[in-house]
Amino acid sequence: EAEVAQSPRYKITEKSQAVAFWCDPISGHATLYWYRQILGQGPELLVQFQDESVVDDSQLPKDRFSAERLKGVDSTLKIQPAELGDSAMYLCASSLGGPSQGRNEQFFGPGTRLTVL
Amino acid sequence: AQSVTQLGSHVSVSEGALVLLRCNYSSSVPPYLFWYVQYPNQGLQLLLKYTSAATLVKGINGFEAEFKKSETSFHLTKPSAHMSDAAEYFCAVSDRGSYIPTFGRGTSLIVHP
Repeated sequence: EAEVAQSPRYKITEKSQAVAFWCDPISGHATLYWYRQILGQGPELLVQFQDESVVDDSQLPKDRFSAERLKGVDSTLKIQPAELGDSAMYLCASSLGGPSQGRNEQFFGPGTRLTVL
Repeated sequence: AQSVTQLGSHVSVSEGALVLLRCNYSSSVPPYLFWYVQYPNQGLQLLLKYTSAATLVKGINGFEAEFKKSETSFHLTKPSAHMSDAAEYFCAVSDRGSYIPTFGRGTSLIVHP
């Protein structure tokens, strides 16, 4: 069964360092989402891509966070510099179509758990 | 803005007992509603969704939920809990046609032998 892949699964870093997370969506899925899940809370959408284009990054802290999906397939989320408050699970999800289209169920990857010391 | 409130951060049941996880939504128009399950250190899996067809929605693993507009609720139930149901459950809401969920804070289901 096709799955969303994420790496690394766990990352420990010191504050002010740069970190990067990678996501490979299910093959053929045009829409990709990055979520942040703080411990004890539900996931919050950070950025949404449709193919290689950003559709919504209104909740992405752009002073330190960046995301790209250059070829419209896999994606990278970067934080530079990391802060203590960035400790969270970072989830990637993909869907076949866009949110307002059919076949738009989101499939989630296992996440990357980030700890900033 | 749409939101959901999950009542109870933890729910504890005995194996074989009824599972009831509560969710109330806030929306100016009838929304789409979802329940997701998250096992430790894993991503989220969709259990079921309400998109304005039947108000009683059946999902995977024996779960179901009923949309009650008058009560603005979408509670999740399962007649008989299994040990394997122990996990974090998230209720979520989206605009009609959007399918981008806004999640609640989650309810941890604990199942005792």
